[in-house]
Amino acid sequence: GAVVSQHPSRVICKSGTSVKIECRSLDFQATTMFWYRQFPKKSLMLMATSNEGSKATYEQGVEKDKFLINHASLTLSTLTVTSAHPEDSSFYICSATKGVTEAFFGQGTRLTVV
Amino acid sequence: GQNIDQPTEMTATEGAIVQINCTYQTSGFNGLFWYQQHAGEAPTFLSYNVLDGLEEKGRFSSFLSRSKGYSYLLLKELQMKDSASYLCAVTDSNYQLIWGAGTKLIIKP
Repeated sequence: GAVVSQHPSRVICKSGTSVKIECRSLDFQATTMFWYRQFPKKSLMLMATSNEGSKATYEQGVEKDKFLINHASLTLSTLTVTSAHPEDSSFYICSATKGVTEAFFGQGTRLTVV
Repeated sequence: GQNIDQPTEMTATEGAIVQINCTYQTSGFNGLFWYQQHAGEAPTFLSYNVLDGLEEKGRFSSFLSRSKGYSYLLLKELQMKDSASYLCAVTDSNYQLIWGAGTKLIIKP
């Protein structure tokens, strides 16, 4: 199956700093990538849809200036959490679509802001 | 609005069979997914249904009825490692994934 690599898997940062999370499709070209956030014991919450070469589409309630998404190529999308606060601590997951039949997920990034 | 319902939690015995139901009401339909998610990990793909009927894949099977807005995931010969959350997700007319809250499956010896 297709492989999506997400890095880093865990990161601890200080409040006020920025953190970049990378999502790469290793063996296919992903025209669309999705970024999700998951709180403990909750379902995945879509944050934004990232299309290669265009601006990301953010879901209602997601601050685009705080969660910067860049989809520079067909195999790479990045999520930058700017000026992180403890309430931004969460599990962030990316997924990339191959056609329309499957969404392949990255391993997820556990962000802890202290 | 768009809505996906699945039970919050289920308990089953090792070696038994369990069926996890999912009902959906979405703007259009372009397929239904089942994912397995262990605690602290990203979801992994289990199945995809776009036509009515049963799709069998080893110990796991998934069924879809589009007219009823209904799907189920059937797990046979349960193993302790099957303890996880099972997420139902539907692709709507805009090919956006709508997620259910997940069903936590607890397997007892």
